[in-house]
This record gives sequence, C-alpha cells and structure tokens, in this order.
Amino acid sequence: GQSLEQPSEVTAVEGAIVQINCTYQTSGFYGLSWYQQHDGGAPTFLSYNGLDGLEETGRFSSFLSRSDSYGYLLLQELQMKDSASYFCAVRGGGFKTIFGAGTRLFVKA
Amino acid sequence: DAGITQSPRYKITETGRQVTLMCHQTWSHSYMFWYRQDLGHGLRLIYYSAAADITDKGEVPDGYVVSRSKTENFPLTLESATRSQTSVYFCASSDSGGGGEKLFFGSGTQLSVL
Repeated sequence: GQSLEQPSEVTAVEGAIVQINCTYQTSGFYGLSWYQQHDGGAPTFLSYNGLDGLEETGRFSSFLSRSDSYGYLLLQELQMKDSASYFCAVRGGGFKTIFGAGTRLFVKA
Repeated sequence: DAGITQSPRYKITETGRQVTLMCHQTWSHSYMFWYRQDLGHGLRLIYYSAAADITDKGEVPDGYVVSRSKTENFPLTLESATRSQTSVYFCASSDSGGGGEKLFFGSGTQLSVL
C-alpha cells in the first residue's frame, strides 16, 4: 500500500521561511508532488520531484530524497496569502496518485 | 477554454438514493481521478482511469461506481448513498506525457447525504 506522513499544522510569521516535511511508503514510486489549497478552493499544483534534489520555482522549492523516502516543501519570504493547506502526493504505478492528509499553514503578521 | 468542470456544485440527497456526480474535461487528458476530501483525511482516491474504458480502484472505492465511455467524461455514481459519503468530491485530470505528474482539479462538488 501507500501512505504519506506530514505535519498537521505549521505556524510562521510573515517574511520568514517555513519547511513542510513529507515521508512516504509506497510501491512503484515515480515522484513526489506538492499542492496548495485555500479554504473553499480546489488544490492547485506547486511542484514535482521525479529525481533526487532540489527544484525551485520562485519563492517555493521542493526537495526529494528517494533513498530516505522523504521530501519537503520550502516556502520563502512568507506572505499572508500563503496561509493555506499544503499536500504532498506520491505518484505510483499507472499514474495512481495518493495524497497526504495535508499541512495547514498559518502565516502571522 | 473550460478546462475541467464538475456538476453539480452542491447536492443534497437522502440515504439510499442514487446520485451521479459529473466531470468533464476539454484537454483530452488521458488520466482522470476522483477524490473525496474530509476533514483530517486529506484527499482520498476513489477511482482513477488511464483512458476510455480503463478504470481502476483507488483507496476507498466501496459504494462507488465509475465509467469512462468517452475520454472527456468521468462520472462518479453513488449507487445507494449513505451518510458516511457526505463529503467534498474533486475530479482531476492529467496528461500522459511530460507534465503528466501535474493534476488539474475541478472546483468540487459538495455532497450532503441526509
């Protein structure tokens, strides 16, 4: 089976840097994705790591270590609008994509 | 440029009734997915489909039926709704080639089973 673990909540101040970790257990691993979801909205894609290392997209970076079954999302220069839920997701065989339970990020002024 | 659309946006039904949630995408994406979202559980995969007439079970398929006779449509049917199926349902699609790791989500259907 597949399972993902991520913290349920993280709080940080505006302008700071925050890291959201994700560990996973899966068969047929092809990559780790991150999604953002604001209250009442749909999840939107942020980043994808198919290989080990760091991927950077503006203020957001994502890291993957396949040997450790571990990844993280790094958000820099936090803004109030970054307050949302963040989900890691594992893509397995057949494009089957399983999500973690989500991390609620609260950004304080 | 509709993208991926779900209907209805809100639905109230009674226990035991059959309900069908619709999902339509205009990109000709090969892969389509149905998730349910409940507090504390994140997004749980119900069913997914790799192409027309090819479907497979996800994490929580019991009580649900899907079909995919056309690439663009992927309806989800609750054959006999139960209160535990009260949830927000999201449909998603993705391409099969490069960029296939990116899922595009519909706006969701909020279903209440009374």
